[in-house]
Amino acid sequence: DAGVIQSPRHEVTEMGQEVTLRCKPISGHNSLFWYRQTMMRGLELLIYFNNNVPIDDSGMPEDRFSAKMPNASFSTLKIQPSEPRDSAVYFCASSFSGLAGAIQYFGAGTRLSVL
Amino acid sequence: AQKVTQAQTEISVVEKEDVTLDCVYETRDTTYYLFWYKQPPSGELVFLIRRNSFDEQNEISGRYSWNFQKSTSSFNFTITASQVVDSAVYFCALSEDGTASKLTFGTGTRLQVTL
Repeated sequence: DAGVIQSPRHEVTEMGQEVTLRCKPISGHNSLFWYRQTMMRGLELLIYFNNNVPIDDSGMPEDRFSAKMPNASFSTLKIQPSEPRDSAVYFCASSFSGLAGAIQYFGAGTRLSVL
Repeated sequence: AQKVTQAQTEISVVEKEDVTLDCVYETRDTTYYLFWYKQPPSGELVFLIRRNSFDEQNEISGRYSWNFQKSTSSFNFTITASQVVDSAVYFCALSEDGTASKLTFGTGTRLQVTL
């Protein structure tokens, strides 16, 4: 079975440009999570969806970040405009349910570099 | 607030040595779940194990074993007869019943296994 699929794997952009990261969760999973990993802050949850509805976006750093889940098989994380401090690895994860204890399965990540 | 502490930033061992990775957590919930994930040099996050707060039985899976002790709020991970392929960053994580599937990660322990 295919796991969580993220694209692109690497993204290099210039400050001020719009960046869109994409995620396809595991089929049948109804919860989707976006994380950011940096050396300074470690792994932090940005936002998560349950049944395509955003449940908790308290981790989204600021209005430049937005996330959507138009259907059960696709989600995007957009940064507009991007800044050098957004450089990080962004992970998408999905789980079978939104209940505590549900195992989250992670994609390979997108390494974003903002110059 | 929930918190996960992995005090060991980096551990280096020689192949075939046993190594234990420590994880201490804080929570006010009586129902919670603990996880370990592995992040190899390739970057993806791989799920290893999940335990719930009502199951304190230790678990063994091949060379891996986990020791869950509620009395000390610890969930330690031991690798027996370590191998070079075990070199990775290992993360401990916590989810509480009250916050659904939201995961709080520790800062990770980098394990380096050399020949």
